[in-house]
Amino acid sequence: GAGVSQSPSNKVTEKGKDVELRCDPISGHTALYWYRQSLGQGLEFLIYFQGNSAPDKSGLPSDRFSAERTGGSVSTLTIQRTQQEDSAVYLCASSLVSGWSNQPQHFGDGTRLSIL
Amino acid sequence: SQQGEEDPQALSIQEGENATMNCSYKTSINNLQWYRQNSGRGLVHLILIRSNEREKHSGRLRVTLDTSKKSSSLLITASRAADTASYFCATDEETSGSRLTFGEGTQLTVNP
Repeated sequence: GAGVSQSPSNKVTEKGKDVELRCDPISGHTALYWYRQSLGQGLEFLIYFQGNSAPDKSGLPSDRFSAERTGGSVSTLTIQRTQQEDSAVYLCASSLVSGWSNQPQHFGDGTRLSIL
Repeated sequence: SQQGEEDPQALSIQEGENATMNCSYKTSINNLQWYRQNSGRGLVHLILIRSNEREKHSGRLRVTLDTSKKSSSLLITASRAADTASYFCATDEETSGSRLTFGEGTQLTVNP
């Protein structure tokens, strides 16, 4: 089946605008994760979903960031009033079993966000 | 703060040589995973080693885990140009639930 799909693959926007990033996980995967990766850096955890609920939002850097997941499938990450420091690649991952980080995570190719 | 720290930051070798990358971490973990990332792509899971395991093999990959030293190593044997990528370790801390904490990666270049 298809892997994790993210859209758009690239997004360029002006400072102060809102952006919405989409993640379509692998069918049947109950756990979904959002990460942020700055150039040449490792991954920074943002939020984790188990089904439609988010037991761990502790990585969201500010209240400008929010995420939701509906129907236990697609998730959207919204950044309001974007700032230049929000520029990064936003990666989404899904895994089979929620609450068990023993499962490998399957990643999409990310959305490269550039704030002008 | 970074849990996993890879060493070296960059490694350049010739095809056919072995590549060894190291990862250190700070807290108790349930497991440690290694991922690979090609430029401009997402991460691909390579191997998972549990805290009660000391060594694991998968094809040309060999991973070791020393929980007393809080360190792991990834060995790629008989490297190929296609192995050129960034390699990340990720730890699942005992107290963090499902969160994985990634290091900043080792950039491996295999020259043909």
